[in-house]
Amino acid sequence: QQPVQSPQAVILREGEDAVINCSSSKALYSVHWYRQKHGEAPVFLMILLKGGEQKGHEKISASFNEKKQQSSLYLTASQLSYSGTYFCGTESDKIIFGKGTRLHILP
Amino acid sequence: DTAVSQTPKYLVTQMGNDKSIKCEQNLGHDTMYWYKQDSKKFLKIMFSYNNKELIINETVPNRFSPKSPDKAHLNLHINSLELGDSAVYFCASSRGRTGVTGELFFGEGSRLTVL
Repeated sequence: QQPVQSPQAVILREGEDAVINCSSSKALYSVHWYRQKHGEAPVFLMILLKGGEQKGHEKISASFNEKKQQSSLYLTASQLSYSGTYFCGTESDKIIFGKGTRLHILP
Repeated sequence: DTAVSQTPKYLVTQMGNDKSIKCEQNLGHDTMYWYKQDSKKFLKIMFSYNNKELIINETVPNRFSPKSPDKAHLNLHINSLELGDSAVYFCASSRGRTGVTGELFFGEGSRLTVL
C-alpha cells in the first residue's frame, strides 16, 4: 500500500511555487515529508498528525485531508537549496514511503 | 556528535559473501529501523525494533538478519550476498513506535555493491 506521489518531477525557476501531492488508500495516523539531496540521507521536513496537529519546517507548509487520506506539501518562493527528491511517508502500522518527487530549481 | 551513525559507509564485495552493517544512535530513541533504497531511489522498510523487540519484519529474504543488542544499536547481517542486494541501506531511529512514531532521524547510509 505504497502512497502515490505526484508529480514525479518538477522543474522550477527560483522564486516560483510548487505543490507536491501524496495519497494513500489506507487510514493513516500521520503523514511525514522528507527531502533527500543526492548522495545524502533523507531529512525530516514536516509531520501532519491525525487531528490536525503539525510539526515541522518554518518555510514549508503542508495539509492533510484525513477523510481522503491525502496530503500536499507547499513550497513557496522556492530557493536553490530546495532542490532534491521529496518523499512522503504515510503511517498506519508502519511508515511507508512514496516513490518520491524530484524537484530541480533553476537560478 | 552524529545522532545516527552507520558503519561502514561503503562496502564492495563478491556474490556469496557475508557482510554486516552497524548502526548506533545517541538520541535516546526507543525505536530503530532499517530501510533499503534501491537504484530507483525507492525507500523500503525492512525491519524495526522497539527496545530490542522486533516489531516490523517485512517480506525480506531470510539471508537478512537484524540484531539489536540494546536500544541504541541495531545491526544488519546479510548472508550469501546476491547482485540484487546492491543498494544503500539506511538506519533510522524515532522516539515513538507505531502510530506515534514522530520524525525519523536517518543515518548517512551504507552503500553496498555486490559484484
